Amino acid sequence: QKEVEQDPGPLSVPEGAIVSLNCTYSNSAFQYFMWYRQYSRKGPELLMYTYSSGNKEDGRFTAQVDKSSKYISLFIRDSQPSDSATYLCAILATAGNKLTFGGGTRVLVKP
Amino acid sequence: DTGVSQDPRHKITKRGQNVTFRCDPISEHNRLYWYRQTLGQGPEFLTYFQNEAQLEKSRLLSDRFSAERPKGSFSTLEIQRTEQGDSAMYLCASGVNQPQHFGDGTRLSIL
Repeated sequence: QKEVEQDPGPLSVPEGAIVSLNCTYSNSAFQYFMWYRQYSRKGPELLMYTYSSGNKEDGRFTAQVDKSSKYISLFIRDSQPSDSATYLCAILATAGNKLTFGGGTRVLVKP
Repeated sequence: DTGVSQDPRHKITKRGQNVTFRCDPISEHNRLYWYRQTLGQGPEFLTYFQNEAQLEKSRLLSDRFSAERPKGSFSTLEIQRTEQGDSAMYLCASGVNQPQHFGDGTRLSIL
C-alpha cells in the first residue's frame, strides 16, 4: 500500500463547475500538506500549503485537512479550461525533509 | 526571484553513457532537493542538501547516481552507465524551509 493514495482520474467537468480532489494517507507523522498543479512537460507549481486541520482558502482554491481521518481535499471553484492539469498532493512528516507525493489526478475542464 | 532553473530541459543519450544535469535554485534558498518522476506517477524523493551538505539520500539513489552542491548554490546530478530504467523527468526543488518550489525538470530519454 502506498503511503499517499490519490485517484488518478481523469476527472472531467464542465467550465464553471466545482472540482473536488482528495488524497488519503497512512502515516500519522505526516503534518504538512501541500497541493501542486502540474501542466504537461512542466514542473509542479505550488498551489496551497497548510499544516493544521481545517480549511484554508486562497482565491478560487480551498484546501481541507482532516488529520483524524488522514484525509485531505482540494476544491476549485468556478473552474476554467486553464485549470486543466494534473493535481498532486504532497505530504511532509514533522521531522522530515522529503515530500511524499500522491500519484496525481488528471483534471479536464471542458469549455 | 527568477525561479528554479534546470539545464538541459531534455537529454537524449544512449544506454551506458554518463549524463549530468544542473540545477540553479532560487537565490538564498539554502535547501535543495532532487526528485524523479516517471510517466503517470508523482515525484519520488532522491536526495536533499542543506547548503553544501548532502543530508539525506533515498535508497532509489543507486551507486550510479551522485549529486553535489559544492558551494551551496547550484547542484549537479550525475548518472553513470545509464540504463533504460533511468528514463524519467528529474526535478529539482529549493526552499528556505518549507514549502518546496520546483523547476521544470530535465527529461532524460535513453535510446
